[in-house]
Amino acid sequence: EAQVTQNPRYLITVTGKKLTVTCSQNMNHEYMSWYRQDPGLGLRQIYYSMNVEVTDKGDVPEGYKVSRKEKRNFPLILESPSPNQTSLYFCATRGGGEVAHTQYFGPGTRLTVL
Amino acid sequence: AQSVTQPDIHITVSEGASLELRCNYSYGATPYLFWYVQSPGQGLQLLLKYFSGDTLVQGIKGFEAEFKRSQSSFNLRKPSVHWSDAAEYFCAVSRGAGNMLTFGGGTRLMVKP
Repeated sequence: EAQVTQNPRYLITVTGKKLTVTCSQNMNHEYMSWYRQDPGLGLRQIYYSMNVEVTDKGDVPEGYKVSRKEKRNFPLILESPSPNQTSLYFCATRGGGEVAHTQYFGPGTRLTVL
Repeated sequence: AQSVTQPDIHITVSEGASLELRCNYSYGATPYLFWYVQSPGQGLQLLLKYFSGDTLVQGIKGFEAEFKRSQSSFNLRKPSVHWSDAAEYFCAVSRGAGNMLTFGGGTRLMVKP
């Protein structure tokens, strides 16, 4: 079954404690991205990756890092989380060809930073 | 700058009634447009998309949307709403070299019995 998985699904942490949210896909897609969802703002893109070792900033990259060492994995790293990063995070992936613009989303990770 | 606007934050309809959710976009080039649905506690599911061709597109769960270039709109419709349609709906446009998605703020749909 084609899927995008994220771990953990829920996380409560404290300010300044580094954390990583993992994202993995089994669809062999080259493109992966991270979004955060906040009430009234919809989803905003944090970072995206067009392929292994190729990453670029989205609309709200401040305070986040990513890496793409393998095609299937695209972890999101918060080196020093702050309360304003409390949000619902989604990983997404898309393929090429005629479905190149259609993104598929993971189940989400709800992060609370105290 | 590209943007997507969903004017209605909340909408309540009776079960069996028709539904229209509004979406307006601002984008210079030919847009790729999407509607996603997010049920409570769930991720986003693609309802339908418009890339080109017929401006009326059919999606899953009985939804359809019409692209109107002159009005920069891509409204979502359903002729008869079911209680299970209660969810949050997001309109999005694909843009840029990275095909990043810009989302609207979402419309939360409630369905009255």
